Amino acid sequence: QKEVEQDPGPLSVPEGAIVSLNCTYSNSAFQYFMWYRQYSRKGPELLMYTYSSGNKEDGRFTAQVDKSSKYISLFIRDSQPSDSATYLCAMRNTGFQKLVFGTGTRLLVSP
Amino acid sequence: DSGVTQTPKHLITATGQRVTLRCSPRSGDLSVYWYQQSLDQGLQFLIQYYNGEERAKGNILERFSAQQFPDLHSELNLSSLELGDSALYFCASSVGEGLEQFFGPGTRLTVL
Repeated sequence: QKEVEQDPGPLSVPEGAIVSLNCTYSNSAFQYFMWYRQYSRKGPELLMYTYSSGNKEDGRFTAQVDKSSKYISLFIRDSQPSDSATYLCAMRNTGFQKLVFGTGTRLLVSP
Repeated sequence: DSGVTQTPKHLITATGQRVTLRCSPRSGDLSVYWYQQSLDQGLQFLIQYYNGEERAKGNILERFSAQQFPDLHSELNLSSLELGDSALYFCASSVGEGLEQFFGPGTRLTVL
């Protein structure tokens, strides 16, 4: 079993939809949770990170962490065709720099 | 543009060969990380250097080695290449050993 599980998709939605992307994990020591966006043939780009449980909002993006369920989510409101990309979750524990990534969910937003 | 540069963009080589991938971190960043991304394994952490010293090791094969030079650029050396080493190799950098890692555009390695 992988430490971080993520549905590969693709997830296809119409423009303007609310998108929910999710990851589950098995290592209870993870404290920092990140979401990266990766466009085709590009490097991953950090969108947001959160520490421990709770919510964090940045514009159209909201990250949620539920440590009791070992489940994290990224919500995208008013999705745009430019949001079409692969979304990777990543996490790590305190004091150790290794990031553990999910395999990514491919999102397609159609006009 | 993240400010992290990687060369070359593409590399095609044969099994058994040795290649060197190069990374220049963002100005001021002391940490460099190397990752391998393949279709079936996703993004896998290989190794981290901080100001010239190795700080953390992930799933890096013994055939692979890396170093960070005094000017902070880093090289990843891959030897005795196998077909399964074909992948995208990313370098990332960060200020200190912080959470925000900035990724380069990657080097696509194809082993024939």
